[in-house]
Amino acid sequence: DSGVTQTPKHLITATGQRVTLRCSPRSGDLSVYWYQQSLDQGLQFLIQYYNGEERAKGNILERFSAQQFPDLHSELNLSSLELGDSALYFCASTSGGALSGELFFGEGSRLTVL
Amino acid sequence: AQKITQTQPGMFVQEKEAVTLDCTYDTSDPSYGLFWYKQPSSGEMIFLIYQGSYDQQNATEGRYSLNFQKARKSANLVISASQLGDSAMYFCAMSPSGNSGNTPLVFGKGTRLSVIA
Repeated sequence: DSGVTQTPKHLITATGQRVTLRCSPRSGDLSVYWYQQSLDQGLQFLIQYYNGEERAKGNILERFSAQQFPDLHSELNLSSLELGDSALYFCASTSGGALSGELFFGEGSRLTVL
Repeated sequence: AQKITQTQPGMFVQEKEAVTLDCTYDTSDPSYGLFWYKQPSSGEMIFLIYQGSYDQQNATEGRYSLNFQKARKSANLVISASQLGDSAMYFCAMSPSGNSGNTPLVFGKGTRLSVIA
């Protein structure tokens, strides 16, 4: 158990819809990262938050948005969903501690768009 | 830009044998960190091992070791005494600024390892 909690674990929805994925980082971790893993692909970095503020942006579509709340949990909002958005979405957190840079991953939210 | 290349889409290894998974990287940063993660069929990402660019010795963690060759920009993962439970996808990743702890990891496309009894 990494200590990172993601909900929901599975989500099936239709094209054009909007969903929200939630992430609770490990206790004390200030950094939250979102990654997307499409079928048989590596992990694509979407966005990073640090203590409530956006820190880095990767290949995140304009239809996607995220935020980190004062209690440090984060949400990834995906709107106007397309078939190609079907993927495993990971949240990861880090404190920048002993193995600085090591990310602790949640179990992922598997999104299926029909 | 940083890039991780894993040239082996799939590998097979006999149980109890050793196997090497290849990883090469490209970066202009003088300081960086290299990571290996395991993703079993259940989907979670499990951290295996870390190597800092300035570390003098190759990292080891139990049956995992990292063969770090800085001049060749390679960071191969060696798994000794393979077990059936080692069957999984393995991802090499890099942190562009090493020990900052606040930069996203760049991942390769992964290698699928199958351990045969």
